[in-house]
Amino acid sequence: QKEVEQDPGPLSVPEGAIVSLNCTYSNSAFQYFMWYRQYSRKGPELLMYTYSSGNKEDGRFTAQVDKSSKYISLFIRDSQPSDSATYLCAMSGWDTDKLIFGTGTRLQVFP
Amino acid sequence: DGGITQSPKYLFRKEGQNVTLSCEQNLNHDAMYWYRQDPGQGLRLIYYSQIVNDFQKGDIAEGYSVSREKKESFPLTVTSAQKNPTAFYLCASSMESSGGSQETQYFGPGTRLLVL
Repeated sequence: QKEVEQDPGPLSVPEGAIVSLNCTYSNSAFQYFMWYRQYSRKGPELLMYTYSSGNKEDGRFTAQVDKSSKYISLFIRDSQPSDSATYLCAMSGWDTDKLIFGTGTRLQVFP
Repeated sequence: DGGITQSPKYLFRKEGQNVTLSCEQNLNHDAMYWYRQDPGQGLRLIYYSQIVNDFQKGDIAEGYSVSREKKESFPLTVTSAQKNPTAFYLCASSMESSGGSQETQYFGPGTRLLVL
């Protein structure tokens, strides 16, 4: 079993939809959680960073962490075609000096 | 304008040839990382360095080598021992080592390596 599981998609939604992207993990020591957005043939860019449990909102993006269920989510409101990209979750904790990445979910938002 | 630069954008390797990918950062970050990205496999860690003149193997270090002689630079050499080098290579940096801290990683634009 991988430490971090992420559905590869593709996830295809119409413009304006609410998008939910998710990752599950197995290591209970994880406490730092990140979401990266990667456009085709580009490097990933950091979207959201969350420490421990709870929600964090930034514009149209909301990150949620549920440590009891070992489950993290990224919500995108009012999705736009420019949101079409691959979204990678990443996490780390006290017992590792590396970031552990999910495989990424490819999102397509059509006009 | 701070950031991470990688060069070249595309690189072609002939069989039996060693090639070196460049990674430079002006963010004053201590830690630097090299990842390989293949379709459907996410990011796999090749090597990382937490401080100058020190580096550690990642999950797929075989066939690769690195050096960290300067804080700003972390070049990756893909040796002839790497039998399947075609991939997208990403360099990243963070203020400190990512584990057990709040320091996230910032990525360069990547180098696409192709075998002739």
